[in-house]
Amino acid sequence: EAQVTQNPRYLITVTGKKLTVTCSQNMNHEYMSWYRQDPGLGLRQIYYSMNVEVTDKGDVPEGYKVSRKEKRNFPLILESPSPNQTSLYFCASGSAGANVLTFGAGSRLTVL
Amino acid sequence: GQNIDQPTEMTATEGAIVQINCTYQTSGFNGLFWYQQHAGEAPTFLSYNVLDGLEEKGRFSSFLSRSKGYSYLLLKELQMKDSASYLCAVREWSYIPTFGRGTSLIVHP
Repeated sequence: EAQVTQNPRYLITVTGKKLTVTCSQNMNHEYMSWYRQDPGLGLRQIYYSMNVEVTDKGDVPEGYKVSRKEKRNFPLILESPSPNQTSLYFCASGSAGANVLTFGAGSRLTVL
Repeated sequence: GQNIDQPTEMTATEGAIVQINCTYQTSGFNGLFWYQQHAGEAPTFLSYNVLDGLEEKGRFSSFLSRSKGYSYLLLKELQMKDSASYLCAVREWSYIPTFGRGTSLIVHP
């Protein structure tokens, strides 16, 4: 089944404790992206990648890092999480030139 | 940059028709998308418009006017399961779409 898989789905952590949210897609998509979704603010793009070893900042990159060492994986790294990073995170992927993004199920992160 | 505007919330009655509007301002244009998102779930693709006019897909239709920077999503024969957020997204010349804040649609009996 074609899908985008995120882990963990739910996480409660404390300020300053490094964490990684993994994202993997099995559709051989070139494009991958991370979004955060907060009430009243919609989906805001954190980072995106057009292909392996190519990453760019989105609208809200501060406090996050990403890497794209393999085509299928696009992990989101929070080096020192803070409470303002409490949010619902979505990973998405798409084929270059295509018009549809496929989203993962979401990862709800709480930073205390 | 882009500015995408859609109503925050709408309510409608089961069986009725509802139109959700989206206006945008962009320096370039390479497509407009509508996604549906049920509470706590992932957005799912509904429609894509790049040329002016109406695209119909079952109970859902999407309209685009590029000269007016305007689109709408039309939902017919509303069902309770249509209660969800509807996200308008616009793509400029790159591959990357920007999402509006979404319209929360509440369908009541």
